[in-house]
Amino acid sequence: EVQLVESGGGLVQPGRSLKLSCLASGFTFSNYGMNWIRQAPGKGLEWVASISSSSSYIYYADTVKGRFTISRDNAKNTLYLQMTSLRSEDTALYYCASHGGSGYYFDYWGQGVMVTVSS
Amino acid sequence: DIQMTQSPSFLSASLGNSITITCHASQNIKGWLAWYQQKSGNAPELLIYKASSLQSGVPSRFSGSGSGTDYILTISNLQPEDIATYYCQHYQSFPLTFGSGTKLEIK
Repeated sequence: EVQLVESGGGLVQPGRSLKLSCLASGFTFSNYGMNWIRQAPGKGLEWVASISSSSSYIYYADTVKGRFTISRDNAKNTLYLQMTSLRSEDTALYYCASHGGSGYYFDYWGQGVMVTVSS
Repeated sequence: DIQMTQSPSFLSASLGNSITITCHASQNIKGWLAWYQQKSGNAPELLIYKASSLQSGVPSRFSGSGSGTDYILTISNLQPEDIATYYCQHYQSFPLTFGSGTKLEIK
C-alpha cells in the first residue's frame, strides 16, 4: 500500500524558515517524481513544486520561487520542502504527492501537514 | 500561464441523477487534464487523467471527456459518497494549475 506521511509543520513567525518532510513507503520511491501542493484554509489547491525521480528536473510556482527549495533523498525514501522567508500567505495545508508516469498529474497524496505563518 | 476556468462553483443534484462539471483552459492543453475528488477533511484523490482515463479503483460512474480547451467530468447515478469538491488540473506545461473547484451537494 502506498503511503506518504508529511511532517515538520507548525506555527512560525513571518520571515522565518521551516522544513517539511514526506516519508514514502509501499512503492519504489526512487522511480517516481514527487510534488508539493498546498491548500490555504477554505481555499482551492495550488501547486507549489515538482522534482523528478533523480532530481534532474525541478520546477516551482512563481509564488515560492527563490524562497522554497524542493529536494529528495532516495536512500531515505524522503521528500523535502525547505521554506524560507515565510509570509502569511504561505499559511496552508501542504500535501506531498507522487506524479504519474505519463505526466504531472498527482496519483497518490499524503494527508497533509499544516503550516501557519503568524506573529 | 494557463488558466483553468471551472464551472459551476456549486452544484446540487438528486441521488441517481447525472451531473457534469466543465473546465475551460485558456489555451490548448492537448488532453493533459486530470480530475480530482476531495471529500471534507481528506486529501484529494485522482479520478481521471489524460482527460478520459479512469484511475484504477475509481467507479465507472465517473467519466471524463474533452479536447483542446474544453473538458467535462460526468458523474452518473449519483451516490451519497459522491458528496465532495471536484477539481480539474492541467499538466500541459509549468506552472501546473487547478480549477477553482466545484462543490457537489446531494439534494
